[in-house]
Amino acid sequence: QKEVEQNSGPLSVPEGAIASLNCTYSDRGSQSFFWYRQYSGKSPELIMFIYSNGDKEDGRFTAQLNKASQYVSLLIRDSQPSDSATYLCAVRGGGADGLTFGKGTHLIIQP
Amino acid sequence: NAGVTQTPKFRILKIGQSMTLQCTQDMNHNYMYWYRQDPGMGLKLIYYSVGAGITDKGEVPNGYNVSRSTTEDFPLRLELAAPSQTSVYFCASSYHGGGVLDTQYFGPGTRLTVL
Repeated sequence: QKEVEQNSGPLSVPEGAIASLNCTYSDRGSQSFFWYRQYSGKSPELIMFIYSNGDKEDGRFTAQLNKASQYVSLLIRDSQPSDSATYLCAVRGGGADGLTFGKGTHLIIQP
Repeated sequence: NAGVTQTPKFRILKIGQSMTLQCTQDMNHNYMYWYRQDPGMGLKLIYYSVGAGITDKGEVPNGYNVSRSTTEDFPLRLELAAPSQTSVYFCASSYHGGGVLDTQYFGPGTRLTVL
C-alpha cells in the first residue's frame, strides 16, 4: 500500500524566514509529486508539482525531489502570514488512479 | 469557467439515510475523482473515473457508489449512511490521468455529518 509521510506539526516560522516542509513516500514507482496548500475549511490548492530529481523554483517556492531517498520537500522563502496553512504532499504512480496524500503539515508564520 | 462545483455544501444525515453528492466540472476533463478528508488527515481516494461510463474503486470505496453518464458529472451515492462516513468530501478533475504533468483541480467540498 502506498504511503506518504509528513510531520503534522505545527511548524512555527518567523515572518521573513525560510519554511522547510518535508515528505517521504513508500512507492518507488511514483512518478509525480505535488504540494497542495489548504486553508482551514477550504479545498486543496496546487502550489507546485515536480517529477524530476533536483530543484524546481516558482517565485518564493522551491520544490526538491530525491527519488533515491524517496524524499520530497518544499521551501518557502520570505514567509508571509498568509502562508499559514496546512501543506499536503501528494504522490502519484503511473496509473490513472488518484493521488496518495500525506496527512499534511500545519505551518504557522509568526508576524 | 466555474471549474469544479459541488452540491450541497453542508448536509446532516441520520444513520441509515441515503443521499447523493453532486459534482460537475466544465473544463472538459476526462478524469474525475472523489476523495474524503477526515479531521487532521490527508485525503483518501474513494472512486475515480477515466471517462463517461468507466469507473473504478479507490482506497476506501465501501459504503459508496458512483456513476459517470456524462463527461461533466460524477455523482457519489451514499447508501445506508453510517457515522464513520462523517467527513468532508472533495471532488476533483484532471485532463490527463497517470501522466507526470497531470494536475487535479478540486471542488469546494461537501461537509457531511451522520448522526
